[in-house]
This record gives sequence, C-alpha cells and structure tokens, in this order.
Amino acid sequence: DTAVSQTPKYLVTQMGNDKSIKCEQNLGHDTMYWYKQDSKKFLKIMFSYNNKELIINETVPNRFSPKSPDKAHLNLHINSLELGDSAVYFCASSQGRGGFYEKLFFGSGTQLSVL
Amino acid sequence: RKEVEQDPGPFNVPEGATVAFNCTYSNSASQSFFWYRQDCRKEPKLLMSVYSSGNEDGRFTAQLNRASQYISLLIRDSKLSDSATYLCVVTTDSNYQLIWGAGTKLIIKP
Repeated sequence: DTAVSQTPKYLVTQMGNDKSIKCEQNLGHDTMYWYKQDSKKFLKIMFSYNNKELIINETVPNRFSPKSPDKAHLNLHINSLELGDSAVYFCASSQGRGGFYEKLFFGSGTQLSVL
Repeated sequence: RKEVEQDPGPFNVPEGATVAFNCTYSNSASQSFFWYRQDCRKEPKLLMSVYSSGNEDGRFTAQLNRASQYISLLIRDSKLSDSATYLCVVTTDSNYQLIWGAGTKLIIKP
C-alpha cells in the first residue's frame, strides 16, 4: 500500500487551463503539505494543512488553491495555468504539525508541463 | 547568502570509496537537521536525522558542527545504489517550516 499517493503522475496541459492534483495519505498523519520543485531542484513549500486547518501559506499566486476535505486528503487546484507553473509538485505528510524533528513522507510527485 | 547551501556536485566517486559532503546553514538558531535522499525523477526520502552528538547508520555518518554552522554526511564503502542527490534540510523556529538545500548530486562509478 502506498503511504502518500498523488495523481496524476504526469499532467500536460495548455496555458490558461485549470487543473487539479489530488493527494491522499493512509499514514494517519495530521499534517499535509504541497511542495514545488523547479528545474533548479529547489524544493519550496507552498502550503501546509494540519487537521484541515491551513498553517502555512507561502507567497504563492492566488491561482493556486489548496483544499483539504479531511486530514487524509489535500488537493491542489490551479487556475489559469502559466508556463512558469511547469515543475514537479510533491505532496507530503508528517505526524505532527511540522517543524522541529518532523519527518516528511512524500508522494511520488506530479510532473506538470504547461505548453 | 542562501539559508541552506550545498555544493551541487556532481561528485564522481569510484565504488568502494569514502565520500563526504557538507551543508552550511545561515541561521545560528537552527534547531533540527536532516539528510534526505532523492533518486532521479523520484520523491525525496528521509535518510537520517542529524543529532548534536553525531549519529551513524550503517555506512552513513552524519555530524553537526554548530560553531561553524554546517552538517556533514559521510558515506563509507560506497555502492552503486548510493548514486542519488542528497538534500540537506534545516528547521529554524516554530513556524513549522523546513528549509531545503538544492542538493548534492553523487554518482558512484564501477
């Protein structure tokens, strides 16, 4: 059983479209995250939810909207996609609220290509 | 200066050799430290936490030098399967954020 699963694995779309990426974790963790990894390989936090409550909301265009229907799910919806949105998006989860000593478990990533 | 810096490499190392690389951090208030491993086109996976006293897990040894603000990872008797990018992660305060380095790419050659 996959601990953190995200779909789709690959997403190719045109500029201006709206798309969603889904994430689910079966670890019973309280906190879930969305990270973006660009071509330079930096991992940047976008959002973090703890028990459905938004606790980290980095400087991300408001075209990106996370939704957490329950603590096992954190989806990412992106409106009006732009070329610069092309990257790998990773979902992750951790036991507590994150921060000190927290270990993250990642999904396998979604490669988003905006044409 | 970046908050967390790593030499991007690649480090090309023959199989069986010992390799070490460092990660420097800028905030002296940093509290916890980790090494993650990321294989090509895969997700990062936790390799080991880094404790103040240093810690070892098989062929891997992690150390923390607070005075000089860096952590290190030493890999002994390197295997082909150790080829990956090694990401350094630092947490600084209680705002629930992990600061990631860009990673050091390691290539083990037969």
